Amino acid sequence: SQQGEEDPQALSIQEGENATMNCSYKTSINNLQWYRQNSGRGLVHLILIRSNEREKHSGRLRVTLDTSKKSSSLLITASRAADTASYFCATVPLSGSARQLTFGSGTQLTVLP
Amino acid sequence: DGGITQSPKYLFRKEGQNVTLSCEQNLNHDAMYWYRQDPGQGLRLIYYSQIVNDFQKGDIAEGYSVSREKKESFPLTVTSAQKNPTAFYLCASSAQGSTTQQFFGPGTRLTVL
Repeated sequence: SQQGEEDPQALSIQEGENATMNCSYKTSINNLQWYRQNSGRGLVHLILIRSNEREKHSGRLRVTLDTSKKSSSLLITASRAADTASYFCATVPLSGSARQLTFGSGTQLTVLP
Repeated sequence: DGGITQSPKYLFRKEGQNVTLSCEQNLNHDAMYWYRQDPGQGLRLIYYSQIVNDFQKGDIAEGYSVSREKKESFPLTVTSAQKNPTAFYLCASSAQGSTTQQFFGPGTRLTVL
């Protein structure tokens, strides 16, 4: 079952602009992770935010988490053409198998040069 | 993709045939996973293994089988019972006792002719 749902499904921006992607989930979580996938390739882990954290930064990435709304956002600042990829959120549940990730359906980001 | 290899990259199968997808990791991870990805969609968990000689069904295990005889290897067999096997298959691993990231292989694209 799909725990996370990303919004929008597709996003197209100009190089240099910021890109914001949102993720909503249904059940209580231990942490939420964001992954990137280039076309036809495996996924690459970007950032993890724990349920007791509200915001986290990594380079040009900023992730927020609102557990009361069961939502997260990923902001990519000063986007580059190389940021073109699909971005997925994935959640680790609070109970049950701690290592099972449940993925959303992803946001396809296109950065135009 | 570092540390996890999948082979082959592309695989073609005739209807009614079983095929086995290889996944090997040298990260010394205890847990390994198999996901299926359909076009424009997120990942769905097929099987996972938290330790050698033990594995559990994921959300879509029907028509698939796995084995975990060695820590480094987690092969996936797509059987003839799988009604719609054409998809992109991703293998991943993670450290035991951890809720942190999963590391993904480059994927195998299976096409049934």
